[in-house]
Amino acid sequence: DAKTTQPNSMESNEEEPVHLPCNHSTISGTDYIHWYRQLPSQGPEYVIHGLTSNVNNRMASLAIAEDRKSSTLILHRATLRDAAVYYCILRMVGSARQLTFGSGTQLTVLP
Amino acid sequence: DAEITQSPRHKITETGRQVTLACHQTWNHNNMFWYRQDLGHGLRLIHYSYGVQDTNKGEVSDGYSVSRSNTEDLPLTLESAASSQTSVYFCASSESTSGGANTGELFFGEGSRLTVL
Repeated sequence: DAKTTQPNSMESNEEEPVHLPCNHSTISGTDYIHWYRQLPSQGPEYVIHGLTSNVNNRMASLAIAEDRKSSTLILHRATLRDAAVYYCILRMVGSARQLTFGSGTQLTVLP
Repeated sequence: DAEITQSPRHKITETGRQVTLACHQTWNHNNMFWYRQDLGHGLRLIHYSYGVQDTNKGEVSDGYSVSRSNTEDLPLTLESAASSQTSVYFCASSESTSGGANTGELFFGEGSRLTVL
């Protein structure tokens, strides 16, 4: 499976935008980029996914580089409840198979 | 609402005992997964199933087994619990996909914290 690289930790101030980067230089043309997050003492939850174009949903936006070797998860206004570990994961198109989780980025939101 | 539930949420056992963690989902998903998460680490896949009677080993399957006798349940058994199996265990499920039309989103349970003394 193609690997992803994320910073171990990031900090943000409450109500400011947060940009969480992910590098995936070995991504293949059939890999979707998925983001999950894990709140303290909970199971991971789906955030967003994309293939080539930028994506928006109620939780976040996903900006994908033109060469697809990197992507950025954008939280437009961080809240204290957004403090979590964020995982960037690659998944092959058409596959509902298991996800391989890396270490993720621990986001701290400061009041 | 459909959901995925794990039980027990917390369990303490002794080395050498057999332990079974239950996972039940009401989405009628074909795919089910067991992960473990150790303190400060990401999730590692233990076993997974793509349907009834189908089971597969993940990256850390030694000492664990699963069985899939129906769509809703994938119990995880530790045949002889070891201290190294002290961890938080997460069950997840997802729909089958075709052609990438489905996100293949995984839905996770709230976890089962197992302590082996």
